[in-house]
Amino acid sequence: DTGVSQNPRHKITKRGQNVTFRCDPISEHNRLYWYRQTLGQGPEFLTYFQNEAQLEKSRLLSDRFSAERPKGSFSTLEIQRTEQGDSAMYLCASSSRDFQYGALHFGNGTRLTVT
Amino acid sequence: AQTVTQSQPEMSVQEAETVTLSCTYDTSESDYYLFWYKQPPSRQMILVIRQEAYKQQNATENRFSVNFQKAAKSFSLKISDSQLGDAAMYFCAYRGQTSGTYKYIFGTGTRLKVLA
Repeated sequence: DTGVSQNPRHKITKRGQNVTFRCDPISEHNRLYWYRQTLGQGPEFLTYFQNEAQLEKSRLLSDRFSAERPKGSFSTLEIQRTEQGDSAMYLCASSSRDFQYGALHFGNGTRLTVT
Repeated sequence: AQTVTQSQPEMSVQEAETVTLSCTYDTSESDYYLFWYKQPPSRQMILVIRQEAYKQQNATENRFSVNFQKAAKSFSLKISDSQLGDAAMYFCAYRGQTSGTYKYIFGTGTRLKVLA
């Protein structure tokens, strides 16, 4: 169990640019989740996958956000035409196949700053 | 829609004392899971304790225990013998089991300060 890995740890970008984040879940975990967290707030659900299928996407998510998990392993989250309001910590988490009992295992997050 | 509410933005406890963090939730599901997560400053979120709604017995993990009141939709976390390392943000989370969605819903968190 090497843990959930997220890259990069920090990203600073200018408004209007596109950014892409990567998440590598724990290898035997089949569900992968993306959350967004702003300072002093709880994680806000963005989307989740079971294997390569994206099962749910938050209605709060605009069309500028897209996520993929092409082979059911790692996942990418892309934000197009970034806005200052996108500045946040983006958290990835995975859960085990034994989903009845599994809890989320989180990565360290990617902190995005849009200037 | 399910919601999770943590009404205590910040709590303080003296080292070695006991503190209780509150959480209430709203759901129409009969089967679900509840969790407490800890997020130390600038570190990743880790699971503290979990509770299955169908189990009447309250979960316990060493110094951490919960008071699960299903009818009242209340799920509080008790930390006994508080240690300096317990200082962190604590998040209560809900995950349904019967609605067809398996997303986890988090509260806004409680910042716990431990005083030496």
